Amino acid sequence: AQSVTQPDIHITVSEGASLELRCNYSYGATPYLFWYVQSPGQGLQLLLKYFSGDTLVQGIKGFEAEFKRSQSSFNLRKPSVHWSDAAEYFCAVGASYGGSQGNLIFGKGTKLSVKP
Amino acid sequence: DAGVTQSPTHLIKTRGQHVTLRCSPISGHKSVSWYQQVLGQGPQFIFQYYEKEERGRGNFPDRFSARQFPNYSSELNVNALLLGDSALYLCASSLDRKREQYFGPGTRLTVT
Repeated sequence: AQSVTQPDIHITVSEGASLELRCNYSYGATPYLFWYVQSPGQGLQLLLKYFSGDTLVQGIKGFEAEFKRSQSSFNLRKPSVHWSDAAEYFCAVGASYGGSQGNLIFGKGTKLSVKP
Repeated sequence: DAGVTQSPTHLIKTRGQHVTLRCSPISGHKSVSWYQQVLGQGPQFIFQYYEKEERGRGNFPDRFSARQFPNYSSELNVNALLLGDSALYLCASSLDRKREQYFGPGTRLTVT
């Protein structure tokens, strides 16, 4: 069965500092991987996605993520955090084949706080 | 282009009542999925519909049902509401089952 683990519940970084949010997944084959961001009381916004090919993917708002098959990880990074990045971040895995395609499994999220 | 829209925005219901939530996908998207997000948790998959047929169902009781209409909009119905059904209900649309999903703003359901 698919699963996603986001080990960090809450992270605080200073504005301008670099950021890395961790995500580990469990899936029998190469999965589809996603990062979403959610502001309080809002829906989820897609930051970036990985389906295949280049393991370093670029997303919106200056975010990038790297797929590492050997570590079953898909960590999200940003070189310089802005105060507006404060939000909750969710990693999700989707099946690349079979009957459960389209059924996204989400981690529990990492809440990012940014201090001035 | 308009994104995914959901209605209503907020809803307060009493235990035992029934609720219907509505979702309109992005134009051209044929797949709609529903998720439940309890406070402090990640979204949990409820249903996926593609081309008006149910293509996936999560671990939810039969009190939860959904359908997709010819224009690809969708309804989520929940019968016999329980306090534990209080959550943010999210709708997501995608071009097809394998593509990335785009989420609407959600419907906040409170059951008292």
